[in-house]
Amino acid sequence: DAGVTQSPTHLIKTRGQQVTLRCSPKSGHDTVSWYQQALGQGPQFIFQYYEEEERQRGNFPDRFSGHQFPNYSSELNVNALLLGDSALYLCASSLADGQPQHFGDGTRLSIL
Amino acid sequence: RKEVEQDPGPFNVPEGATVAFNCTYSNSASQSFFWYRQDCRKEPKLLMSVYSSGNEDGRFTAQLNRASQYISLLIRDSKLSDSATYLCVVRPGGGSYIPTFGRGTSLIVHP
Repeated sequence: DAGVTQSPTHLIKTRGQQVTLRCSPKSGHDTVSWYQQALGQGPQFIFQYYEEEERQRGNFPDRFSGHQFPNYSSELNVNALLLGDSALYLCASSLADGQPQHFGDGTRLSIL
Repeated sequence: RKEVEQDPGPFNVPEGATVAFNCTYSNSASQSFFWYRQDCRKEPKLLMSVYSSGNEDGRFTAQLNRASQYISLLIRDSKLSDSATYLCVVRPGGGSYIPTFGRGTSLIVHP
């Protein structure tokens, strides 16, 4: 039973570029959330997708956008990258809202 | 006041010790509570949910105090492998799906 998988594992970009991160949820899970984790901090909620719709959004600018596909996989897009976007980006899936979330290994994004 | 607060530590304890962490939350309407464990440069992994009546899983005991708005995690008979960062998570409920993570408490268990 595959858990949550994310790609790529590492990525290096420069300021102003755009990036797309991908996530496949755990088998049977239909809800996908994205988080940003800076060094020494807890994960910060970016948004959650359910039934291909963004259900709720955290305090992140519009440069952060996402998508969920019919197979429940999801993408996180970040435009106009800033140095401060350097972080570990985590995807988490759950069977339903309120249930514990299972995290992928994350994508470590470095902005130069 | 931050929504979810944790003492970052580190808590430095010998093997076999009992250690406890607290996590305070500001939203009295919070509905769901969890403890996650995160190893260095790895993803968070669910340790346990926290139920109103308190719950235990082996050496780990979680408790919720709604009156004082905190949750706690007690680890008995600490092992070297317990060294990690422990994150508390609070979800508000009431139509909001936004879970809030604490910054984590670092635990170091030494021989």
